[in-house]
Amino acid sequence: KAGVTQTPRYLIKTRGQQVTLSCSPISGHRSVSWYQQTPGQGLQFLFEYFSETQRNKGNFPGRFSGRQFSNSRSEMNVSTLELGDSALYLCASSLGQVETQYFGPGTRLLVL
Amino acid sequence: GESVGLHLPTLSVQEGDNSIINCAYSNSASDYFIWYKQESGKGPQFIIDIRSNMDKRQGQRVTVLLNKTVKHLSLQIAATQPGDSAVYFCAEKKGNNAGNMLTFGGGTRLMVKP
Repeated sequence: KAGVTQTPRYLIKTRGQQVTLSCSPISGHRSVSWYQQTPGQGLQFLFEYFSETQRNKGNFPGRFSGRQFSNSRSEMNVSTLELGDSALYLCASSLGQVETQYFGPGTRLLVL
Repeated sequence: GESVGLHLPTLSVQEGDNSIINCAYSNSASDYFIWYKQESGKGPQFIIDIRSNMDKRQGQRVTVLLNKTVKHLSLQIAATQPGDSAVYFCAEKKGNNAGNMLTFGGGTRLMVKP
C-alpha cells in the first residue's frame, strides 16, 4: 500500500505570496493532519480534517487554512507569506480518530 | 517533551550497545503516546506506541516504558545499529476528544558509532 504523498516536495516563495500544499493520504485513511516543523519551534500541530470537516485546529493565525476533499485528499493554504513561515510542512494520515498517524515526506517551503 | 530549539540533546552510542531515549510529557490527561524516528530529509516514521493503561510495550528491538506517576516515557533500542541514527520524537495525545492532535517533544538525536 502506498504511503502518504505530498506535493510539491520543495517550494520557494517570496513574502506576501500565497501557497497551496497538497497531501494524499494512505488509501482508506479518512483523517488527515497537518504539522509545521521548524528548528526553533519543533513539530507543531496545524489542523486535522476528518470526512471533509475540520476537527481540530492548532494555535496558528488565520492565514493558515486547509480543506479536505471527498476522496480524503487534503490541501493547506498559507496566504500573505512571512519569512517565519519557512518550514517543513508535514501531513499525516490515519484511519480514524484513535489510530496511528503515518507521516508523509513533507513539503519544504522557503520564503524569501 | 520540552522543546530545546536549535540544540537537540544528543545521545551517542556504540554500535551493538543498547540505547535509552527519555521524554517527559506535559499533560496528565494524555492517554496515548507514540515514538517517531525522523531521518534527515524524511518525515517522521512510526516506531511504537503505548496507551496509558499499560506501562510497557515491546516491538522488534524496541521497548517503550511509561511511568504515569512522574509523566515519563522512554524508548529502549536493543543492539543499536548505524541505521538507527536519527532524531527521535515522543508525542502525546490528550484523550479521544483531542482527535488526532499530537503534541511533540523537542526530539533527541541518536548517533551510532561504528
